[in-house]
Amino acid sequence: KNEVEQSPQNLTAQEGEFITINCSYSVGISALHWLQQHPGGGIVSLFMLSSGKKKHGRLIATINIQEKHSSLHITASHPRDSAVYICAVRGGGYESQGAQKLVFGQGTRLTINP
Amino acid sequence: SQTIHQWPATLVQPVGSPLSLECTVEGTSNPNLYWYRQAAGRGLQLLFYSVGIGQISSEVPQNLSASRPQDRQFILSSKKLLLSDSGFYLCAWARLSSYNSPLHFGNGTRLTVT
Repeated sequence: KNEVEQSPQNLTAQEGEFITINCSYSVGISALHWLQQHPGGGIVSLFMLSSGKKKHGRLIATINIQEKHSSLHITASHPRDSAVYICAVRGGGYESQGAQKLVFGQGTRLTINP
Repeated sequence: SQTIHQWPATLVQPVGSPLSLECTVEGTSNPNLYWYRQAAGRGLQLLFYSVGIGQISSEVPQNLSASRPQDRQFILSSKKLLLSDSGFYLCAWARLSSYNSPLHFGNGTRLTVT
């Protein structure tokens, strides 16, 4: 079993729909990242969170430490949101924190049709 | 502002040839530096990380090596490429010893070994 599991692996929706991508992890963590990978391969960091909820524009990320689960939501989705969304966790150990080593999920490929 | 440069963007190399990918960061000092690989259909895998000049940690045994000759320069090398070295290579940096620092990625190098 992978340490970081994302669901769904692929998601296709219509423009305007509310999108939810889930991430579950099996290890103790000090932080969780949500990343966006565009078709050309470039990766952008969307959120880093260790508790609660963060919002940026139409994107919302939540994390439940007790349940070892995080969700990424997109409101009023748009075709330009089409990308691969990647969840990554940073371990709780000293080395992982100091070196900020991450373990990545497989990614969720999101396609928003106009 | 900080920027990260990675080159080349694409590379096609024959089996057995050498490899050198370069990554430089501007606008920050003493960053943590990382090399990741994304094989086709798979998640990101950490290959090497560095917390300072000349300090390299390898995460997985492989045909590749990394060096950090200057504070903001990180090089990924191989003496003889294998077919299995094909993939998408990403350089990234994060602020040293800052638990709240997000990861910043370069645009990646798509390597095809033929």
